[in-house]
Amino acid sequence: GAVVSQHPSWVICKSGTSVKIECRSLDFQATTMFWYRQFPKQSLMLMATSNEGSKATYEQGVEKDKFLINHASLTLSTLTVTSAHPEDSSFYICSASSPRQGNIEAFFGQGTRLTVV
Amino acid sequence: DAKTTQPNSMESNEEEPVHLPCNHSTISGTDYIHWYRQLPSQGPEYVIHGLTSNVNNRMASLAIAEDRKSSTLILHRATLRDAAVYYCIRRRKDSGYALNFGKGTSLLVTP
Repeated sequence: GAVVSQHPSWVICKSGTSVKIECRSLDFQATTMFWYRQFPKQSLMLMATSNEGSKATYEQGVEKDKFLINHASLTLSTLTVTSAHPEDSSFYICSASSPRQGNIEAFFGQGTRLTVV
Repeated sequence: DAKTTQPNSMESNEEEPVHLPCNHSTISGTDYIHWYRQLPSQGPEYVIHGLTSNVNNRMASLAIAEDRKSSTLILHRATLRDAAVYYCIRRRKDSGYALNFGKGTSLLVTP
């Protein structure tokens, strides 16, 4: 199957700083990628849809100025958590589908665990 | 609103079959039924999907009720590596690829 890779796998940052998370499709081009957030013991919640070459679409309640998404190429989307606070500590996961494989299944990255101290 | 209902948890012995149920009583004719699973501290992975007919692949089988209001994911021989949270998801054919995850079923496999 197709491979989606996230970097870093985990990060610890100080409150008030910004953190960038990368999501790459390694062997296919993805015009659309998705960002999810998962708090402990909870399910994944869709945050935003990342569109190559255009603005991201954010779900209701997700602050677009706090969670900056850039999808500058067909294989890379980035999520920047700006002015991070402890309540932003979470597991962030991206996904994409592969046109080559019929766009049937979503391929997920391994996730990035963000801890804000 | 995930619009699917699953038991919070299930338990199985290793090497035995596991039947994970899912109710989707309000499913429409164009909704596919997808199953994903998430191992601890990992991103989800695709398991199987179907529309009307039962489906088999190397990971599992999917049995879909004739009225499509429920489905069952079948793991034929559970292994310890199958311990995960299993998500049953309705996906509209024309909805794109964003997935609406419910709470899923946490499967415990004991040796």
